[in-house]
Amino acid sequence: DSGVTQTPKHLITATGQRVTLRCSPRSGDLSVYWYQQSLDQGLQFLIQYYNGEERAKGNILERFSAQQFPDLHSELNLSSLELGDSALYFCASSASLDRASDTQYFGPGTRLTVL
Amino acid sequence: AQTVTQSQPEMSVQEAETVTLSCTYDTSENNYYLFWYKQPPSRQMILVIRQEAYKQQNATENRFSVNFQKAAKSFSLKISDSQLGDTAMYFCASPGSQGNLIFGKGTKLSVKP
Repeated sequence: DSGVTQTPKHLITATGQRVTLRCSPRSGDLSVYWYQQSLDQGLQFLIQYYNGEERAKGNILERFSAQQFPDLHSELNLSSLELGDSALYFCASSASLDRASDTQYFGPGTRLTVL
Repeated sequence: AQTVTQSQPEMSVQEAETVTLSCTYDTSENNYYLFWYKQPPSRQMILVIRQEAYKQQNATENRFSVNFQKAAKSFSLKISDSQLGDTAMYFCASPGSQGNLIFGKGTKLSVKP
């Protein structure tokens, strides 16, 4: 158990809908990262938050947004969903903002299926 | 562009044997960590081992060890005494310029009884 929690485990929804994925980092970790794992794209970095502020953006679509709350949990919002958004969404947390010398621990993921 | 290359899409090994998974990476960072993650059928991403690039000594965690060649930007994972529970996808990861991890495409390891 990494100490990172994600809810829900599974989510099935229809095209055009909006969903929210939730992540709670390990106790004491200030950084939260979101990744998308799809069959054809592998693991792709979406966005990072550190202590409530957005710090880095990767291949995140404009239809997607995220935030980190004062209690450090984070939410990833996906809207106007398309079939291609079906994927496993991971949250990872790390202790610091140190970009290259810190360890990211992953949550169990949320499997999103868009029908 | 920063890349991580795992050249072996699939590998198999007999139980109790040793197997080595290859990885090469490219990063512009000076002080960095490298990682191997395991993704079993449950799809959870589990940290297997990490290597601090400024340390010359190769990291070891029980049956898992790495062969880190900094100049060659090579970071292979050796699994000794393979067990059925080692069956999984293994991903090599190095730091990206945005603080994220860049992952290779993975090696699917099957441990056969």
